[in-house]
Amino acid sequence: KQEVTQIPAALSVPEGENLVLNCSFTDSAIYNLQWFRQDPGKGLTSLLLIQSSQREQTSGRLNASLDKSSGRSTLYIAASQPGDSATYLCAVYGGSQGNLIFGKGTKLSVKP
Amino acid sequence: DTEVTQTPKHLVMGMTNKKSLKCEQHMGHRAMYWYKQKAKKPPELMFVYSYEKLSINESVPSRFSPECPNSSLLNLHLHALQPEDSALYLCASSQGAGESYEQYFGPGTRLTVT
Repeated sequence: KQEVTQIPAALSVPEGENLVLNCSFTDSAIYNLQWFRQDPGKGLTSLLLIQSSQREQTSGRLNASLDKSSGRSTLYIAASQPGDSATYLCAVYGGSQGNLIFGKGTKLSVKP
Repeated sequence: DTEVTQTPKHLVMGMTNKKSLKCEQHMGHRAMYWYKQKAKKPPELMFVYSYEKLSINESVPSRFSPECPNSSLLNLHLHALQPEDSALYLCASSQGAGESYEQYFGPGTRLTVT
């Protein structure tokens, strides 16, 4: 059974720092991996989707990498801003029906 | 338009009430999903509809009844819920129900059962 783990569970950094969020999964036979952002009490905003054949994706200050063989993905946030404060969720696609399996998330706080 | 809409935003209902949650997308997606998210927990899949047919039911109690009247609309009918069913209910859609399709989420409905 696929399990997704995110480390750390919470992270507090000063504004301007570069930071890395980690995601690991137990079954390397994944298809795709998606990073989401969730603000308190709100829905999920998709940040990046990495196809299984890709090694990384970039969007603005965000860069996500995928290493299937080691069962790891990282989300790199450059020059963090207070507006980046949110919970970041990693999810892998498993099975033929495309159901997402989520990690428990990393709660990020960026202090001004 | 990459938007999934959900109504209502908030819902408070008693254990004897019957209510429905609504989800809509106009992206031409053929797969739609219901997820349940408890506080400080990740979302958990409840149902998957593919081409308006129920393809996955993750052993959800019968007090939750999904319906997909057409390819743009997904409902979740609620009846005789328990207080532990209070959660954020998220709807998502994707172009297809396979693993290569990105899922787009709505803002969710915050449900409180009293």
